[in-house]
Amino acid sequence: NAGVTQTPKFRILKIGQSMTLQCAQDMNHNYMYWYRQDPGMGLKLIYYSVGAGITDKGEVPNGYNVSRSTTEDFPLRLELAAPSQTSVYFCASGGTTGANVLTFGAGSRLTVL
Amino acid sequence: EDKVVQSPLSLVVHEGDTVTLNCSYEVTNFRSLLWYKQEKKAPTFLFMLTSSGIEKKSGRLSSILDKKELFSILNITATQTGDSAIYLCAVVPRGFGNEKLTFGTGTRLTIIP
Repeated sequence: NAGVTQTPKFRILKIGQSMTLQCAQDMNHNYMYWYRQDPGMGLKLIYYSVGAGITDKGEVPNGYNVSRSTTEDFPLRLELAAPSQTSVYFCASGGTTGANVLTFGAGSRLTVL
Repeated sequence: EDKVVQSPLSLVVHEGDTVTLNCSYEVTNFRSLLWYKQEKKAPTFLFMLTSSGIEKKSGRLSSILDKKELFSILNITATQTGDSAIYLCAVVPRGFGNEKLTFGTGTRLTIIP
């Protein structure tokens, strides 16, 4: 049982480049989330999805996009990377309601230079 | 705006010591408070608390909630080096799900052998 799988684990980008962080879960969860974690800060919600085809903005969505074409996958797209997007990104899934305990992926450390 | 404050920010103790981690919160219409343990990678769930005065326990870890005074504590007895981690506290308001989950900045606990 893999749970939530994120790739890549590490990535260095140049300013202005784009990339996609991949997230997949095998628990048949409807709810999926993308968070970023900056040093000394709590986890901040970027985007979330309540099911295939439905996404919504979280607290810090600017500079990111998401899609949810299947229940399993929830990729996060960074367009025109900026140094402010240097962070650790966590994908999480949360069951069949919005209030379930979250299962997190291992994280993706992104550095924008 | 919902708010979670954790203290101390950092704590270093010797193996075998007992520690108490604090979480105070401000949230409109409280629903639940959660504790997560974050080692090097993904946060993992510890406890969900919804009612005051009822202790949740798992091995050497226990937690309790005080809804009147708006705080929770996480106790770890007979600490071991494997308890070294960042401990995250988060709250959810009533009527919402994880899209409104507010995390604290965490307490970094280091156990010295």
